[in-house]
Amino acid sequence: GQQLNQSPQSMFIQEGEDVSMNCTSSSIFNTWLWYKQDPGEGPVLLIALYKAGELTSNGRLTAQFGITRKDSFLNISASIPSDVGIYFCAAMNYGGSQGNLIFGKGTKLSVKP
Amino acid sequence: NAGVTQTPKFQVLKTGQSMTLQCAQDMNHNSMYWYRQDPGMGLRLIYYSASEGTTDKGEVPNGYNVSRLNKREFSLRLESAAPSQTSVYFCASTGQGGGLYGYTFGSGTRLTVV
Repeated sequence: GQQLNQSPQSMFIQEGEDVSMNCTSSSIFNTWLWYKQDPGEGPVLLIALYKAGELTSNGRLTAQFGITRKDSFLNISASIPSDVGIYFCAAMNYGGSQGNLIFGKGTKLSVKP
Repeated sequence: NAGVTQTPKFQVLKTGQSMTLQCAQDMNHNSMYWYRQDPGMGLRLIYYSASEGTTDKGEVPNGYNVSRLNKREFSLRLESAAPSQTSVYFCASTGQGGGLYGYTFGSGTRLTVV
């Protein structure tokens, strides 16, 4: 079936650093979403992307819908301690046969010891 | 602004016991979902209900049953719990357009089967 490959699986951040993560697939999608899950909570939607090449920001977060429609990227600038958590990408083809969101396995952000 | 409410938040079961996880949403959403989350495995879809009166299997349905009681409520039942069902369970919902505007998740039920 369709899969989303997220990388890295985990990373450590130091306050003030910029963070990058990505999500790739062998399939084309017309909708990409990024979620964040805080410890002990459910995932919360951060950014939604609907057009190839689209770049969308939400505060210090910036996400891009890849031009090939097979990938998406999330950047966090000037990270702060509350950025820790698990970030999930999700994708779907709205209006197509794939009616449900597919989720990546997540990128876990932790604070550098 | 409750959103998606899951009960209970924590549960410990003995192998072979049964239980029902409850989920209710107050956003008048059509579609509802049950996921399980295990370390390193991401979110795996167990069952979903595209609209009131319909349910369909997801990626990992074995050992589970669901009921879409009405538009608001979607329950997940474990008939005979097994240690492999130890996990965090999330309910989610979405309105018109399916996942186009994302799913709204509950805060989860942490289930341990001993």
